[in-house]
Amino acid sequence: SQKIEQNSEALNIQEGKTATLTCNYTNYSPAYLQWYRQDPGRGPVFLLLIRENEKEKRKERLKVTFDTTLKQSLFHITASQPADSATYLCALDESFGTASKLTFGTGTRLQVTL
Amino acid sequence: GAVVSQHPSRVICKSGTSVKIECRSLDFQATTMFWYRQFPKQSLMLMATSNEGSKATYEQGVEKDKFLINHASLTLSTLTVTSAHPEDSSFYICSATTAPGQGAKNIQYFGAGTRLSVL
Repeated sequence: SQKIEQNSEALNIQEGKTATLTCNYTNYSPAYLQWYRQDPGRGPVFLLLIRENEKEKRKERLKVTFDTTLKQSLFHITASQPADSATYLCALDESFGTASKLTFGTGTRLQVTL
Repeated sequence: GAVVSQHPSRVICKSGTSVKIECRSLDFQATTMFWYRQFPKQSLMLMATSNEGSKATYEQGVEKDKFLINHASLTLSTLTVTSAHPEDSSFYICSATTAPGQGAKNIQYFGAGTRLSVL
């Protein structure tokens, strides 16, 4: 069966450290993978997109890796700040042609403390 | 840019009533809109995909007569929960893409969500 696994346990990290979140999937072949941030009671906000032939993508303090052999993506936040506290969702994009569809993981809650 | 407005943000209603939720793309034309449902501490579950001017495509297990979706224009989609019951209580979120396709075209812009509570 198809599965997208993100660490269901909250990740607690000290301000200034690097947070690393994991997204593992089975029985999917995504051409792209996206990461979103979701705050409580709000809709997700797009952060980064990475293609299957890209190993790494960066945006400011964010870095995403995508290993299609391991079927895993890692999401890093460097120099983390309390404002980074939120739930982070990975989403697999298996769109084909004009049919768009994302499948979301359950998300990992990140808590950055002073 | 790419702002999606969802209204209302919260609804409390009696069992048996129908509830309409609106999703508008404010600064772009959304050829495709999506409706999700999210339970506490769970993932977003796609309910249906709607394309402007055509019937919505529902995911397996989603009752199309229960959750009516209308995508009448390139900037507006509505979800109507008909004869709502307590088990329909959930967080409903819409999203939109600027154009159908892969990769960057499939970045979804989300509304703020609607918390539905059916008494």
